[in-house]
Amino acid sequence: SQKIEQNSEALNIQEGKTATLTCNYTNYSPAYLQWYRQDPGRGPVFLLLIRENEKEKRKERLKVTFDTTLKQSLFHITASQPADSATYLCALDAGGTSYGKLTFGQGTILTVHP
Amino acid sequence: EAGVTQSPTHLIKTRGQQATLRCSPISGHTSVYWYQQALGLGLQFLLWYDEGEERNRGNFPPRFSGRQFPNYSSELNVNALELEDSALYLCASSPAWGKRASKNIQYFGAGTRLSVL
Repeated sequence: SQKIEQNSEALNIQEGKTATLTCNYTNYSPAYLQWYRQDPGRGPVFLLLIRENEKEKRKERLKVTFDTTLKQSLFHITASQPADSATYLCALDAGGTSYGKLTFGQGTILTVHP
Repeated sequence: EAGVTQSPTHLIKTRGQQATLRCSPISGHTSVYWYQQALGLGLQFLLWYDEGEERNRGNFPPRFSGRQFPNYSSELNVNALELEDSALYLCASSPAWGKRASKNIQYFGAGTRLSVL
């Protein structure tokens, strides 16, 4: 069956360190994968999109990698700050009969301690 | 530019009643998506509308339905409410669907918190 898994439910790190979040998927062949941030009581906010033919994408302190062989995406936040504390969601579009539908992982709750 | 707006913010209903949730997409966006986010279950895809037509739906019973109006706003109707329908319902919009991935980025509203008692 199709599955998207984010490595851990919660990740705690110290300010200034790099946070690395993992998204693994099985039985999908996504053309692209997206990462979103969600704060409590709010809707998700788009952060980055990476296509299947791209190995890495960067935006300011954020970096995403996409390995279609391993069926895995890594999301990095460098020089993390307490303001980065939030839930981070990966999402992919499975295509085919799932056309237009984004399937989300369960999310990883990141807490950055001062 | 206004983002995706949803109303009401909170909705309290009793079991068996009907709920109607509303969504206004970002100006220029023609696609509207609905998701359910129940505690511990993550975001579950409900429905996708584009240009007034239902294009895809998730694994939810038929009592979850909706529509998209000519101005691209949308409403989600949930009939015969059950306790397990209590959740945050999120609406998202995107520009016209296409093969360009950047058009498939979804912009979310703040959600409607539905509580079924």
